Amino acid sequence: DQQVKQNSPSLSVQEGRISILNCDYTNSMFDYFLWYKKYPAEGPTFLISISSIKDKNEDGRFTVFLNKSAKHLSLHIVPSQPGDSAVYFCAASLGTGKLIFGQGTTLQVKP
Amino acid sequence: NAGVTQTPKFQVLKTGQSMTLQCAQDMNHEYMSWYRQDPGMGLRLIHYSVGAGITDQGEVPNGYNVSRSTTEDFPLRLLSAAPSQTSVYFCASSYSSSGGQETQYFGPGTRLLVL
Repeated sequence: DQQVKQNSPSLSVQEGRISILNCDYTNSMFDYFLWYKKYPAEGPTFLISISSIKDKNEDGRFTVFLNKSAKHLSLHIVPSQPGDSAVYFCAASLGTGKLIFGQGTTLQVKP
Repeated sequence: NAGVTQTPKFQVLKTGQSMTLQCAQDMNHEYMSWYRQDPGMGLRLIHYSVGAGITDQGEVPNGYNVSRSTTEDFPLRLLSAAPSQTSVYFCASSYSSSGGQETQYFGPGTRLLVL
């Protein structure tokens, strides 16, 4: 049973436009949600997170929105840049070293 | 600070062979975890540890053993390799901040091919 789902395997946007990556979850016990970015042949790197008690968190060009009633979160990147092209993973935390990841979405930002 | 290091970077095994994937961190993090990444599956948690001497199973623990004798090291052992264990393995470490958030830092990964 997939507790964290990213239903879009890929997304392509034009440079300068908004990228919106989506993630759904089923377990209401998750206390934090995180987004990781991954380039080929590298480990994932932390991008931004949000506590389950908040509905929005911003960090520069990146904003994460959490809708608890819908069990849905999204990552907005504005403006998108070619260097943002990577695989983005949504993850949910159960605390103490346990992250549950979605399948990932490959973002391509075209110049 | 080297962060999280993993060795080897790449390994080819024959079915039935055993091996140990090494993971070390120099950030004095309490928590360490092992994940595997397979196409279309994201990263799945194999085993994790909340401190030296304490380990527990994740989502996909079968066929793997771990131990944590020191804070720094968290090796992953494949007891008898199977083709289904062909994957990319990531080790991660983290600590719990005062706000409860726990950000995991990942190593560069080990690519394993089992023939």
